[in-house]
Amino acid sequence: DGGITQSPKYLFRKEGQNVTLSCEQNLNHDAMYWYRQDPGQGLRLIYYSQIVNDFQKGDIAEGYSVSREKKESFPLTVTSAQKNPTAFYLCASSRGTGRDYGYTFGSGTRLTVV
Amino acid sequence: AQTVTQSQPEMSVQEAETVTLSCTYDTSESDYYLFWYKQPPSRQMILVIRQEAYKQQNATENRFSVNFQKAAKSFSLKISDSQLGDAAMYFCAYRTSETSGSRLTFGEGTQLTVNP
Repeated sequence: DGGITQSPKYLFRKEGQNVTLSCEQNLNHDAMYWYRQDPGQGLRLIYYSQIVNDFQKGDIAEGYSVSREKKESFPLTVTSAQKNPTAFYLCASSRGTGRDYGYTFGSGTRLTVV
Repeated sequence: AQTVTQSQPEMSVQEAETVTLSCTYDTSESDYYLFWYKQPPSRQMILVIRQEAYKQQNATENRFSVNFQKAAKSFSLKISDSQLGDAAMYFCAYRTSETSGSRLTFGEGTQLTVNP
């Protein structure tokens, strides 16, 4: 079955460390997105990519980086510059960028700073 | 900038009853899509229903329906015959035009409790 796989499900990071969250899709979707979810704040967009080798900053990109070398993969790196990284991270993909396309979401990664 | 507001952080409903979740949005665009997503305790996001701004007819999916008031920029979700499995966080979302990356903008969410 097609879908989006996020790994790991839980991730612990020490202060000053960079960590990378994986997002892989086999839906042949062109667009991919990373969102951060905090209690009471809904989902906020970190980065998005509409095509391979291209990506754009979202609303809260500071302290994060991404790459899109393959259509199927859109990894997110949380760098040491991100001062409050503890959150739930959701990856999503969309068949295109048309307004009628909804998103397919992964099951998320819970990142905790220890 | 587009914004989406859900003014009810929490709602509760008795099983088999009807509940309405509110959502308002702000945009200068004339053509767009609106969505309701459900996030159960598993935290998997599930699309519940969507509405195109140009369609005056309100969307319906089984027990879920919307009341779309374009002039008022309101997009409420009605759940009829509520079931225990409807308990979840519900997010209203708005999708922008392609020139803005066609990203989804989400509201803060409404936590729905279904009482047996």
